[in-house]
Amino acid sequence: GDSVTQMEGPVTLSEEAFLTINCTYTATGYPSLFWYVQYPGEGLQLLLKATKADDKGSNKGFEATYRKETTSFHLEKGSVQVSDSAVYFCALSDRTNAGKSTFGDGTTLTVKP
Amino acid sequence: DSGVTQTPKHLITATGQRVTLRCSPRSGDLSVYWYQQSLDQGLQFLIQYYNGEERAKGNILERFSAQQFPDLHSELNLSSLELGDSALYFCASSVGPGQGDEQFFGPGTRLTVL
Repeated sequence: GDSVTQMEGPVTLSEEAFLTINCTYTATGYPSLFWYVQYPGEGLQLLLKATKADDKGSNKGFEATYRKETTSFHLEKGSVQVSDSAVYFCALSDRTNAGKSTFGDGTTLTVKP
Repeated sequence: DSGVTQTPKHLITATGQRVTLRCSPRSGDLSVYWYQQSLDQGLQFLIQYYNGEERAKGNILERFSAQQFPDLHSELNLSSLELGDSALYFCASSVGPGQGDEQFFGPGTRLTVL
C-alpha cells in the first residue's frame, strides 16, 4: 500500500536558520503530494502542493519539489521564524485509489529566537 | 477559519459507550474525510464520502461507521468505545472527489474515553 516517511523530529532551529524536512513516499499510482502544517490547538492547513513530477510548490517562503526519480518531496525554507513553530505533515493523494490520502507521522519544528 | 465546523469540541465518555461526531463541510465542498490523530499512531485516514457516497476507506474499525447526508454534513459514529479510542478526530472537506484536491480541516473533536 501507499506510505509516507518523514524525517523524525523534533527539530529545533534558531531564527533565520535553513530548514529541511525530508519526505519520501511509496505509491502504487501517480500521486499528488502535499505539505500540511498544524499550529498548536488547530487543525491542519495546506502549506503547499504539487501534482506532477518536477512541479515545485511554494508558499510563505516554503518550497518543495516533486521528485519522481527519488520519490521525494522535501520541504525547505531559507530563513525560519519563531512563528513557523508547528507540526509539519507530508501527505499523498493516490489517484489510482480514489484519492485516498496517506499522511506521514509529522515533524515538530521549534524555532528559538 | 477553514470554513469546516465540527461539534462537539470536546467529548468525555466511558468505555462501552457510543458517541456521534458531527461535521459540516465548507460551502460548495462535496467531499468529507474523517481522520483520527493519536499520540502513538499519528494521523490516520478513516473514511471519505463524496456527494453522499462512500469513496475511499482507510483504517476504520468495524465499531466505527460514518455517513454523509443529503445536505452534505457528515457524522462519525463510534461504538463500544475503548480506552484506545481516545484521540483527536478531524473532519476535512474538499471540492472534488479527492485526487489532487486541497483538503480543508476542521478544528477537531477531542474524545476522551475513561
